[in-house]
Amino acid sequence: AQSVTQLDSHVSVSEGTPVLLRCNYSSSYSPSLFWYVQHPNKGLQLLLKYTSAATLVKGINGFEAEFKKSETSFHLTKPSAHMSDAAEYFCVVSDSNSGGYQKVTFGIGTKLQVIP
Amino acid sequence: DTEVTQTPKHLVMGMTNKKSLKCEQHMGHRAMYWYKQKAKKPPELMFVYSYEKLSINESVPSRFSPECPNSSLLNLHLHALQPEDSALYLCASSLGLAGFTDTQYFGPGTRLTVL
Repeated sequence: AQSVTQLDSHVSVSEGTPVLLRCNYSSSYSPSLFWYVQHPNKGLQLLLKYTSAATLVKGINGFEAEFKKSETSFHLTKPSAHMSDAAEYFCVVSDSNSGGYQKVTFGIGTKLQVIP
Repeated sequence: DTEVTQTPKHLVMGMTNKKSLKCEQHMGHRAMYWYKQKAKKPPELMFVYSYEKLSINESVPSRFSPECPNSSLLNLHLHALQPEDSALYLCASSLGLAGFTDTQYFGPGTRLTVL
């Protein structure tokens, strides 16, 4: 069984300061993990994914995440927040083959607010 | 090209109307998904098609009827909806070969309002 917990429903940072969005997962296997971003009234855009290669994953727009198996975490970070980063962020886990499609579990989402 | 397109962007319908949502991708993906997303919530899976066959129906009411006419196209037919069905409907696709290491690519969604 797979599950994912996003520890903060809302995070507020000042422009130019670091961003940390926290995600913990539970999985019976070695999972794939994803971060998606959703701007208001838009679809979901893939930021980055982890699939058992390098544990530090770099994504788009300066975001990166580190897979830590011992802590069952996959936290998303960015060194310097930009106003355009204000959005909803979803951590997603997938750990089982389902015969030609992917069954994922979404976290509840973290809303990132960037203050000028 | 990693684009999934959805039409229409917005749809307002009455409870007695029949309408359809359309989703298209040209990435050669063989798995396609419909999700429903209510405000301030994560997406909820409704249906999955794999190689044009319905693989998952997450106990969705029969007033929602999916259709996959070919490997590039996915429709969601709507009939006799309720106001609580108002939501953002998202389509996604994935390669369909890599299983849990696949990546789902999402369309921009259709904002549905049922009056």
